[in-house]
Amino acid sequence: GAVVSQHPSRVICKSGTSVKIECRSLDFQATTMFWYRQFPKKSLMLMATSNEGSKATYEQGVEKDKFLINHASLTLSTLTVTSAHPEDSSFYICSASLPSTGELFFGEGSRLTVL
Amino acid sequence: AQSVTQLDSQVPVFEEAPVELRCNYSSSVSVYLFWYVQYPNQGLQLLLKYLSGSTLVKGINGFEAEFNKSQTSFHLRKPSVHISDTAEYFCAVSQNSGNTPLVFGKGTRLSVIA
Repeated sequence: GAVVSQHPSRVICKSGTSVKIECRSLDFQATTMFWYRQFPKKSLMLMATSNEGSKATYEQGVEKDKFLINHASLTLSTLTVTSAHPEDSSFYICSASLPSTGELFFGEGSRLTVL
Repeated sequence: AQSVTQLDSQVPVFEEAPVELRCNYSSSVSVYLFWYVQYPNQGLQLLLKYLSGSTLVKGINGFEAEFNKSQTSFHLRKPSVHISDTAEYFCAVSQNSGNTPLVFGKGTRLSVIA
């Protein structure tokens, strides 16, 4: 099956710094990727839709200047949390759409801890 | 707008007993339904999906779900659970069969007791 990989799986950073999370489709090209955020004991909340070669579409309430999304190639989307604060600590999960079927495949997730 | 309700936040069950995890959805249009499993600190793995056709869908690991349009439900079942089934289970809905984001329920924590 299709594989989506995220890196890093865990990251700890100081408050005020920026952190980049990568989402790669390893064996297929994905024109569309989605970024989710998962709070402890909560569901996954869609943050944004990342489209290759164009600007991301953010969900209501998500700060686009804080959560920068770049989808520069058909196999890579990045999420950069800028000027991170402790409240940004969360589990971030990406998913990529397999073009032939539209089925979504999820990455392993990235746990961000901001001290 | 679509929404998904998972009525039980936690379900404890003894090993080898049957289990049902409930999921109800609301949507004004036709929907596609999914169940995912999440193990600790991992991403989501697709268990099964309903796109069309037979309302009884069989998935991996012995799970199955039945789409009931009149009751707007898509409950997940397994006749005999194992310790390894302990995980978080998410029901999700989409307006299209693919290439669109999923709307997730809040999840149900299945705990299998030896």
